[in-house]
Amino acid sequence: QSVLTQPPSVSGAPGQRVTISCTGSSSNIGADYDVHWYQQLPGTGPKLLIYANRNRPSGVPDRFSGSKSGTSASLAISGLQAEDEADYYCQSYDSNLRGYVFGIGTKVTVL
Amino acid sequence: QVQLVQSGAEVKKPGSSVKVSCKASGVTFNSLTISWVRQAPGQGPEWMGEIIPVSETANCAQKFQDRVTITADESTRTAYMELSSLKYEDTAVYYCARGRLAVNWLDPWGQGTLVTVSS
Repeated sequence: QSVLTQPPSVSGAPGQRVTISCTGSSSNIGADYDVHWYQQLPGTGPKLLIYANRNRPSGVPDRFSGSKSGTSASLAISGLQAEDEADYYCQSYDSNLRGYVFGIGTKVTVL
Repeated sequence: QVQLVQSGAEVKKPGSSVKVSCKASGVTFNSLTISWVRQAPGQGPEWMGEIIPVSETANCAQKFQDRVTITADESTRTAYMELSSLKYEDTAVYYCARGRLAVNWLDPWGQGTLVTVSS
């Protein structure tokens, strides 16, 4: 059971906008620790997609955006493309566990 | 460009140990941390621990404290993760990933090492 809660799956047609939520608690996201997002394509390792809540590493399209409020964070993908079909994970730090925590992951399907 | 290259796949028997290596290039070792994260089949990532090579300080997740040893060799820019008393449920892909002091995101990640525990 993951410390951060994500929906198991979301789907959308090409061009649509989808959002993925990540809900934590007062010992992680609610304690003002940053949230980061990773994309994992089939058969590959996770790749950093959003860092420190809303920042994109070089090379990540601006279709991807992140936000954080209270004990939750969200990843939005606008203008959904077939290549966005992947698993997405949120990650933060937890002061009770004294380590990094991940969400269980959300599978994005492009219809 | 920072790159992490891990050792190859392993098959181990229950009760034995496995040691996975992670060699860094394109970065000075004294400016980073190395985390180890595992991912069991169909599961999300699970953070196991990290090491700050320049101080040789390791911090392990409570779940793994009795079984995991994380070390680093600054001269070869290689980090190691050893997991002992292997169980069937330790079957997973093990990743190393770079962190930095004062930030808590991980980038980049190694290619992953599949560890299979089987009798």
